[in-house]
Amino acid sequence: EPEVTQTPSHQVTQMGQEVILRCVPISNHLYFYWYRQILGQKVEFLVSFYNNEISEKSEIFDDQFSVERPDGSNFTLKIRSTKLEDSAMYFCASSEGQSSYNEQFFGPGTRLTVL
Amino acid sequence: GQNIDQPTEMTATEGAIVQINCTYQTSGFNGLFWYQQHAGEAPTFLSYNVLDGLEEKGRFSSFLSRSKGYSYLLLKELQMKDSASYLCAVRDTGQAGTALIFGKGTTLSVSS
Repeated sequence: EPEVTQTPSHQVTQMGQEVILRCVPISNHLYFYWYRQILGQKVEFLVSFYNNEISEKSEIFDDQFSVERPDGSNFTLKIRSTKLEDSAMYFCASSEGQSSYNEQFFGPGTRLTVL
Repeated sequence: GQNIDQPTEMTATEGAIVQINCTYQTSGFNGLFWYQQHAGEAPTFLSYNVLDGLEEKGRFSSFLSRSKGYSYLLLKELQMKDSASYLCAVRDTGQAGTALIFGKGTTLSVSS
């Protein structure tokens, strides 16, 4: 069964450093998403991406964040200058479309720890 | 504002039936989704409702009342492997109608 993959599974970085989290969405999917989940808290929407541009973003997705689809398979989330409060599990997701019946398939996540 | 409420924790025994409730207040509505999340893992899709009524999918059923802003997930014939967090999520109409707004999740513990 096709699945969303993410690398790395764990990333430890120093405050102020840049990190890039990578995702390979399911191949025939057109919509891509990033969510985050701070330990013990709820899953929060960050951004959605379609047709090589951002469709929607939340208040969390400020100028420190950016997304890119550098080639036909990868989808990346960049945090320019990490803060302690960016420590969280980051989930990538993808869906075939954006209709209500199009479920979003989640990847296994990247656990980001900012020291 | 956006608000999705679920009970924090529930317990049940193997073979039993459990109902997890979810109430929501969102600026828009384009479907309600239930996901299962085992500790340290990704959410996995269980069911969705767009129209009022009951959707059945094997041991899992989900119900929606849009007028009441209410949904529940019903799990039958509980198994130990059903011990997990159950996340209620509303798809908002928002900027592009793509975002899922999640509740904090209900941690279900199934004992023998």
